[in-house]
Amino acid sequence: QKEVEQDPGPLSVPEGAIVSLNCTYSNSAFQYFMWYRQYSRKGPELLMYTYSSGNKEDGRFTAQVDKSSKYISLFIRDSQPSDSATYLCAMTYRDDKIIFGKGTRLHILP
Amino acid sequence: DAGITQSPRYKITETGRQVTLMCHQTWSHSYMFWYRQDLGHGLRLIYYSAAADITDKGEVPDGYVVSRSKTENFPLTLESATRSQTSVYFCASSEIKRKAFFGQGTRLTVV
Repeated sequence: QKEVEQDPGPLSVPEGAIVSLNCTYSNSAFQYFMWYRQYSRKGPELLMYTYSSGNKEDGRFTAQVDKSSKYISLFIRDSQPSDSATYLCAMTYRDDKIIFGKGTRLHILP
Repeated sequence: DAGITQSPRYKITETGRQVTLMCHQTWSHSYMFWYRQDLGHGLRLIYYSAAADITDKGEVPDGYVVSRSKTENFPLTLESATRSQTSVYFCASSEIKRKAFFGQGTRLTVV
């Protein structure tokens, strides 16, 4: 079993819809949970991070962590064509290594 | 320019040759990382460094060598390139674990 599982998609949704992206993980030692966005032929950029369980909101983006279920989510409200990208979840151990999911390709249809 | 830069952006090399990918950051971040990204595998950690002269293996270190004599530089060397090392390589740096900044990537093709 991989440490971090993420559905690769692609996921296509109409503009304005709410998008839900998810990851599951197997190791309860993970402490920080992050979401990165990667546009085609670019490096990943950090979108959001959370520590332990709970929700965090930033504009149209909400990150949610449920440590009891080992499940994290990213919600995008009022999705825009510019949100079309690959979204990668990531998590860290205490020894500073960042482990990534494989990424979900998202297409927002105008 | 401030930030993290990788060079070259594109590289074609032959099997068996040694090739070095460069990574330079201007923030004086303690941590630096090398990842490779392949279809179906996502980002996989090759090596990382917590400070100058401190490096450690990641998930897929075989065939790669790193050094970090200065905080700002973290070169990655493929000692004898193989076709399986054809990939996009990303360097990243961070001061705290949850905020890693990535370079633009190096597309390496081994023929």
